[in-house]
Amino acid sequence: GQSLEQPSEVTAVEGAIVQINCTYQTSGFYGLSWYQQHDGGAPTFLSYNALDGLEETGRFSSFLSRSDSYGYLLLQELQMKDSASYFCAVGTGGFKTIFGAGTRLFVKA
Amino acid sequence: EAGVTQFPSHSVIEKGQTVTLRCDPISGHDNLYWYRRVMGKEIKFLLHFVKESKQDESGMPNNRFLAERTGGTYSTLKVQPAELEDSGVYFCASSQDRGTDTQYFGPGTRLTVL
Repeated sequence: GQSLEQPSEVTAVEGAIVQINCTYQTSGFYGLSWYQQHDGGAPTFLSYNALDGLEETGRFSSFLSRSDSYGYLLLQELQMKDSASYFCAVGTGGFKTIFGAGTRLFVKA
Repeated sequence: EAGVTQFPSHSVIEKGQTVTLRCDPISGHDNLYWYRRVMGKEIKFLLHFVKESKQDESGMPNNRFLAERTGGTYSTLKVQPAELEDSGVYFCASSQDRGTDTQYFGPGTRLTVL
């Protein structure tokens, strides 16, 4: 079957750096995306990697290694407002996007 | 530019009743997706429209679920008859180009089946 694995919870302190890993097993691969969702809100797009390497967008960076079926989201200079759920998602090359179960990030003062 | 909107925001119905959820995608977005998230679990793909055509509905749980997108604009997702396990948050998303995989999500409809 198709699956994405990511940690269920991560806790970090304000100002720190946190990395959220994602490993995937899918029948096709058309890119790895990351979404952020605050409680009660809509998932919002953060980043997308189609090729190996690091993509940087402000405090957020995302990395992909297709040979390892692995990626991560790196959040720097953590702020309290970064407390949310983070989902990795894989476009499978068909018309389906597979999401992970989400990682709940708690940022402490 | 208006975002993806969904209606209603919440729905509480009894087992056996019918509910219809509506999604209005971002204007000009040909791709429309429906997802469901049961508490604490993954955002599960239900189906994908390109304009009015269903491209992939492999995630639809069973034939109690019917999605339509007449005219290629808004979409509806009907559950008939609803069962307890249908409870969850139903998200709609749209994108301009499937290739970029940047999907814009609506706020979701929280469905509770009692």
